[in-house]
Amino acid sequence: KNEVEQSPQNLTAQEGEFITINCSYSVGISALHWLQQHPGGGIVSLFMLSSGKKKHGRLIATINIQEKHSSLHITASHPRDSAVYICAAYGGSQGNLIFGKGTKLSVKP
Amino acid sequence: SQTIHQWPATLVQPVGSPLSLECTVEGTSNPNLYWYRQAAGRGLQLLFYSVGIGQISSEVPQNLSASRPQDRQFILSSKKLLLSDSGFYLCAWSVGAGTDTQYFGPGTRLTVL
Repeated sequence: KNEVEQSPQNLTAQEGEFITINCSYSVGISALHWLQQHPGGGIVSLFMLSSGKKKHGRLIATINIQEKHSSLHITASHPRDSAVYICAAYGGSQGNLIFGKGTKLSVKP
Repeated sequence: SQTIHQWPATLVQPVGSPLSLECTVEGTSNPNLYWYRQAAGRGLQLLFYSVGIGQISSEVPQNLSASRPQDRQFILSSKKLLLSDSGFYLCAWSVGAGTDTQYFGPGTRLTVL
């Protein structure tokens, strides 16, 4: 079993819909990262959080330490949000980031 | 501002050939540096990380090696490539450890034939 699990694996939405991507982890962590990988492969760090909630534009990330769960929400989704979203937990047995397999999001116009 | 460079962007190499991928960071000193691989259909996997010149930690046994000859230079090498080495290789840097944001380079897509 992977230490970091994401769901869903694939997600198709219509423009304007509210999107939720989930991340569960089985290890004790001190921080969780959300990354965005564009179709060309480039990766951008979206959030790093260790508690509560963070917001940046239309993106919101939340984490519940007790439940070992984090969510990434996208409000008013747009086709340019189409990408793979990856969560990564820090603090596992290797002491570095442990990545989920990613959620591929496609937003249709 | 800080920038991170990787080259080459794409590479096609025969099995058994050597490999050298280079990553450089500008605009910061003593960064933590990371090499990741993303194989087709799989998540990112940490290969090596470095907290300083000449200090390399390996996370996964393989036929790859890494070196950090200068503060802001990180090199990924292999003496003999395997088919299974194909993938997308990403370099990243951070100020501190995993609680700090990591900034990723543009990546190198390696195909071993």
